[in-house]
Amino acid sequence: AQTVTQSQPEMSVQEAETVTLSCTYDTSENNYYLFWYKQPPSRQMILVIRQEAYKQQNATENRFSVNFQKAAKSFSLKISDSQLGDTAMYFCAFMKAVEGSNYKLTFGKGTLLTVNP
Amino acid sequence: ETGVTQTPRHLVMGMTNKKSLKCEQHLGHNAMYWYKQSAKKPLELMFVYNFKEQTENNSVPSRFSPECPNSSHLFLHLHTLQPEDSALYLCASSQDRGGGYSNQPQHFGDGTRLSIL
Repeated sequence: AQTVTQSQPEMSVQEAETVTLSCTYDTSENNYYLFWYKQPPSRQMILVIRQEAYKQQNATENRFSVNFQKAAKSFSLKISDSQLGDTAMYFCAFMKAVEGSNYKLTFGKGTLLTVNP
Repeated sequence: ETGVTQTPRHLVMGMTNKKSLKCEQHLGHNAMYWYKQSAKKPLELMFVYNFKEQTENNSVPSRFSPECPNSSHLFLHLHTLQPEDSALYLCASSQDRGGGYSNQPQHFGDGTRLSIL
């Protein structure tokens, strides 16, 4: 079974600064996908960024980038130039890329990020 | 506006009541999911439907009964719930490309906040 660990229950950052959220996972699979989702107070889970395990290049989406270390099973999220609208709960998630996996997303417990003005 | 709509947004019910949660996706996806989000716990996958067929039941108690009449609609029928069932119930959808697995991200609704008295 896969597990996803987010060791930081809460974090805060000043507006315009950079913050890194950590995520580690445990799996015996070689092919899989990793995701970061954001859940603001509006409650909707929004996909922030995703990474295919077979790709060595770290994924980036505007101000969001990841540091994917496959050997260490680490998948951290870096948010640059933090904005007030980035305040949300951030969830790291794992999905096997195996036929018959039934699209299972395994989530971490989340990190509550607060961006201060 | 979200592509996945959930109603009602809030629901308060007694343990002997029967109610239903509704989810509708406007994204043309063919896979739909129910998740339970409890405080301090990771999101828990409950059910997966692919092309209207249930492909996953993650050991969910029978007091939760899903129904998927078509690829755009998903229901969760509730009866004789327990206080520990109070949680945010999230619906999601994704596009299955065939082969029994999907690397497509899941799109979430805003959830139904359920409180059991």
